[in-house]
Amino acid sequence: KAGVTQTPRYLIKTRGQQVTLSCSPISGHRSVSWYQQTPGQGLQFLFEYFSETQRNKGNFPGRFSGRQFSNSRSEMNVSTLELGDSALYLCASSLTTGTSGNTIYFGEGSWLTVV
Amino acid sequence: KQEVTQIPAALSVPEGENLVLNCSFTDSAIYNLQWFRQDPGKGLTSLLLIQSSQREQTSGRLNASLDKSSGRSTLYIAASQPGDSATYLCAVNNAGNMLTFGGGTRLMVKP
Repeated sequence: KAGVTQTPRYLIKTRGQQVTLSCSPISGHRSVSWYQQTPGQGLQFLFEYFSETQRNKGNFPGRFSGRQFSNSRSEMNVSTLELGDSALYLCASSLTTGTSGNTIYFGEGSWLTVV
Repeated sequence: KQEVTQIPAALSVPEGENLVLNCSFTDSAIYNLQWFRQDPGKGLTSLLLIQSSQREQTSGRLNASLDKSSGRSTLYIAASQPGDSATYLCAVNNAGNMLTFGGGTRLMVKP
């Protein structure tokens, strides 16, 4: 079956602009999480959505936001882009949340470059 | 706050060697621990999931162990191959699906 699909794969934005990234989870999965990966900070958790509700949020400014739709697809938005927002943004999906047997699957990521 | 450390940061071995990657974490109240592989410029591929009640998991040439009380996990790769070259990441799940990642071990297997 299809894996986690992220679009777009690559994009370049200018400082001050905003960006929206999209994620389609594996069919049947209801939990979607987002992570930022940079060379300096590694992989950091942004937020998790389950059944359209934000369940957990990482330590990122309010410029980072997300949402989940009724079909479990998710979007994340970054407003007022800064150079430091340049990163690989990874989406992950899983069947459920908060259980020990829950494997998490990642997409290929969206490469964002802010110039 | 959970902190995850992976040692070594980089490792280069000749093909055929057995090797061990280490992961340590500070908070033992975890749901599970997951090992991932990341190839350059790619996303993460799940390798093994060890639930908090388990001691080890095996998949092919990979074996992962978990000692929750000491905050340690190891990933054992048997008979390494050049195709195993990648960055290996361990991630601990403390709440929901909020993973805390280690910095990774960059593995190079030389033919």
